[in-house]
Amino acid sequence: DTEVTQTPKHLVMGMTNKKSLKCEQHMGHRAMYWYKQKAKKPPELMFVYSYEKLSINESVPSRFSPECPNSSLLNLHLHALQPEDSALYLCASSQESGIHTQYFGPGTRLTVL
Amino acid sequence: GENVEQHPSTLSVQEGDSAVIKCTYSDSASNYFPWYKQELGKGPQLIIDIRSNVGEKKDQRIAVTLNKTAKHFSLHITETQPEDSAVYFCAYNDYKLSFGAGTTVTVRA
Repeated sequence: DTEVTQTPKHLVMGMTNKKSLKCEQHMGHRAMYWYKQKAKKPPELMFVYSYEKLSINESVPSRFSPECPNSSLLNLHLHALQPEDSALYLCASSQESGIHTQYFGPGTRLTVL
Repeated sequence: GENVEQHPSTLSVQEGDSAVIKCTYSDSASNYFPWYKQELGKGPQLIIDIRSNVGEKKDQRIAVTLNKTAKHFSLHITETQPEDSAVYFCAYNDYKLSFGAGTTVTVRA
């Protein structure tokens, strides 16, 4: 089973709202990732967690706050977002970080009004 | 994907014909090259990958070739079917996945 699940599928929020995206995998993977994908563009890496510790932050604004409560779960907390943050947010996982196959979830379609 | 060039950006083929997508990378230290297929409204799905110690890999109608000297790798889809219509991304992986810009493939019935 190579399934990564994400909730919610769709999210609409105002610029003053606080919301969270959730990601879960049960493959025993120790690396988890957040990507942002704009329409007709490739995914862009935001964060990497390895063994539940943040190992890479690709200079993401602080209005995006990741959290890894345990080895199966990954959250992305959102606060004071801008309309240009509207995008598809993808979670992925891999056995370990580095040169390992990454498996993606279906994504959360975020619209910021 | 500023370090991976992917061509063409769009590709339209007749059902049953072959489709070829080519990528060029710049980082000679790269050793892992996956290909992802993304259908509308879904996340990218791995369809095939190749590591640098192998020149070619095949899985049914899909094949990938790698030329490390020239820093090229290509995806070949034979006997295309309408369900092959999607966006395809090449990538290479050093400390992170670097994606090409994507190729929108349309298979005409």
